[in-house]
Amino acid sequence: QVQLQESGPGLVKSSETLSLSCTVSGGSISGYYWSWIRQPPGKGLEWIGYIYDSGSSKYNPSLKSRVTISVDTSKNQFSLKLTSVTAADTAVYYCARLVDIVVDGRFDPWGQGTLVTVSS
Amino acid sequence: SYELTQPPSVSVSPGQTASISCSGDKLGDKFACWYQQKPGQSPVLVIYQDTKRPSGIPERFSGSYSGNTATLTISGTQAMDEADYYCQAWDSSSVVFGGGTKLTVL
Repeated sequence: QVQLQESGPGLVKSSETLSLSCTVSGGSISGYYWSWIRQPPGKGLEWIGYIYDSGSSKYNPSLKSRVTISVDTSKNQFSLKLTSVTAADTAVYYCARLVDIVVDGRFDPWGQGTLVTVSS
Repeated sequence: SYELTQPPSVSVSPGQTASISCSGDKLGDKFACWYQQKPGQSPVLVIYQDTKRPSGIPERFSGSYSGNTATLTISGTQAMDEADYYCQAWDSSSVVFGGGTKLTVL
C-alpha cells in the first residue's frame, strides 16, 4: 500500500523560499503523477501543481510564477519549492498521488500533511 | 476562473440521509470526485468518477449527478461521518476544489 510522507521546515520567513519533500513508500514513484495541495488553517483545499515521473509538470495559474515541483526517481521523492512567501502561504501542505489523470484525475492517497507557518 | 459551489454546512440526524451538492458550469461534462476530511486528518477519497466507491468506503456513501450538479449522498448517516466534504473536478487542465461542506450529525 502506497504511503506518502511530507518533510521540511515548519517555519519559513517572509520573502524566503518554502521547500518541502514528499517520500513515497510501498510503491514506485515511476508511472504515476504526483501532486501538492495546501490548506490554510480553517479554510479549504487549494491545488498547487503536479508532476509526472518524467519531470513534466503543471501548476495552478495563481501560483505558477512562484512554484517549482521536481521529482527524484532514485530517491522515490518529489519536492515543492515556493518562492517569495508571505503570510498568505501559511497552510498545511499535502502531497498526494494523482490517479487516472486521463479519466477523472483524483487524489489517492494523501500524505498526513505538514504545517508550514510563514513568519515576518 | 472555474468555480465549484458547495453549501457551507449541512445538518442531519443520525440514521437519516445527508445530501451534499456541488455545482459548476458544465460540470455535467466533467467527472467529479468527493473527499472526506475529519478534523486533524488528511482528506480521504470517498467517491470518484461521479458514482464509484473506492475499496474500503462504506456502501452508505454514494454519488450521483443531474445536469451541472454532482451530489454526495450518505444513507443511514452515522456520527463517524461528521466531517468536511470537498468535491473536485478539472477545468482547462487545472484542478478545482469546491469550498467544502461541513456535515454535522446532530
